[in-house]
Amino acid sequence: ILNVEQSPQSLHVQEGDSTNFTCSFPSSNFYALHWYRWETAKSPKALFVMTLNGDEKKKGRISATLNTKEGYSYLYIKGSQPEDSATYLCAFTNNAGNMLTFGGGTRLMVKP
Amino acid sequence: DGGITQSPKYLFRKEGQNVTLSCEQNLNHDAMYWYRQDPGQGLRLIYYSQIVNDFQKGDIAEGYSVSREKKESFPLTVTSAQKNPTAFYLCASRDRTNYGYTFGSGTRLTVV
Repeated sequence: ILNVEQSPQSLHVQEGDSTNFTCSFPSSNFYALHWYRWETAKSPKALFVMTLNGDEKKKGRISATLNTKEGYSYLYIKGSQPEDSATYLCAFTNNAGNMLTFGGGTRLMVKP
Repeated sequence: DGGITQSPKYLFRKEGQNVTLSCEQNLNHDAMYWYRQDPGQGLRLIYYSQIVNDFQKGDIAEGYSVSREKKESFPLTVTSAQKNPTAFYLCASRDRTNYGYTFGSGTRLTVV
């Protein structure tokens, strides 16, 4: 069983704060690293898929980086808003490329 | 709109009864997946299917069974052999790029 870990497990921040989360994954047999945003009672929605070491992706106030050699990815949210409150999941795909192995998620709560 | 439908959202069953969870997709995806989530834990893979009439066990397949008779449908049966069936169950499908996963909104099963 592959080990994908996320930290912190949960995070409470004030509106306007910037925050970041970590995802660590096996550095061998890497294929892709996915980030998802999962709101309560909805389905997880894809934020980023990263495949190359050093990849940096950005969507609005959210960005992510990837280090495949040391096996970690960071997700950053700049100027958090209450609507950013959700669970953020990372998922690793090995070079078979046919399934996702998830971390435990980081639950973010942004207070107005 | 294309997507994945899981039904029902909430399901209650008595201990010792088998129960089948529905997952239907109209995305023309070949691969489909079932995950389980327990409180405070990440999503764990139960079963997956890469093509019609074929499926493989995931990390926690004991006590579950699946079928894949049609491309659109991947039902999961939680049998009486599953020792702790109460959990949240999430279905997903994957496109042919190996990067594009789509998720349902889940079924919460409670066994009393």
